[in-house]
Amino acid sequence: AQTVTQSQPEMSVQEAETVTLSCTYDTSESNYYLFWYKQPPSRQMILVIRQEAYKQQNATENRFSVNFQKAAKSFSLKISDSQLGDTAMYFCAHRGEYGNKLVFGAGTILRVKS
Amino acid sequence: DAGVIQSPRHEVTEMGQEVTLRCKPISGHNSLFWYRQTMMRGLELLIYFNNNVPIDDSGMPEDRFSAKMPNASFSTLKIQPSEPRDSAVYFCASSLWGDTYEQYFGPGTRLTVT
Repeated sequence: AQTVTQSQPEMSVQEAETVTLSCTYDTSESNYYLFWYKQPPSRQMILVIRQEAYKQQNATENRFSVNFQKAAKSFSLKISDSQLGDTAMYFCAHRGEYGNKLVFGAGTILRVKS
Repeated sequence: DAGVIQSPRHEVTEMGQEVTLRCKPISGHNSLFWYRQTMMRGLELLIYFNNNVPIDDSGMPEDRFSAKMPNASFSTLKIQPSEPRDSAVYFCASSLWGDTYEQYFGPGTRLTVT
């Protein structure tokens, strides 16, 4: 069974600085999908970025980018130029190639300080 | 476009009472998911449907929980009888099957069982 591990329960960063959130996963599949979701205090789950395992190029969405290391089964999220609105819980999630089931990590609380 | 709609947003009930949570997926989506979020267990998939048919209900905690999807635009999650340990935020999400697999989440229902 797939598992997703986020080893940083909490992190903080100064506004305008860069922060990296870690995620590792375990799977026996060769193709799969990885996601980062953001959950602000409003509790709405918002997709931040996704990565297909068959793509070598790291995904980027504006200030958000990932470092996908398939051999190491690592999928970290980098937030550049952090903003106060980035304060949220961030979840890493894995989805296998077959089936629609998302497996989430425990989450990392990110606090952006002014 | 309207997103995933859940009702009620908040529910407070007494132990032993029946609770029904409702979800309207995004129009055109053919997969629907029910998740539960707690501090202790994080985000867990309870059940998901494809084309109104339950595909995986292995996450449903026990027989007190049941879910139905009578048509493509409506699903319910029922707890009968409710217990204090059922207190959690319940999310509904929907997606297209066979697409890029992004799941869109509703705002969640915060359930408190006293």
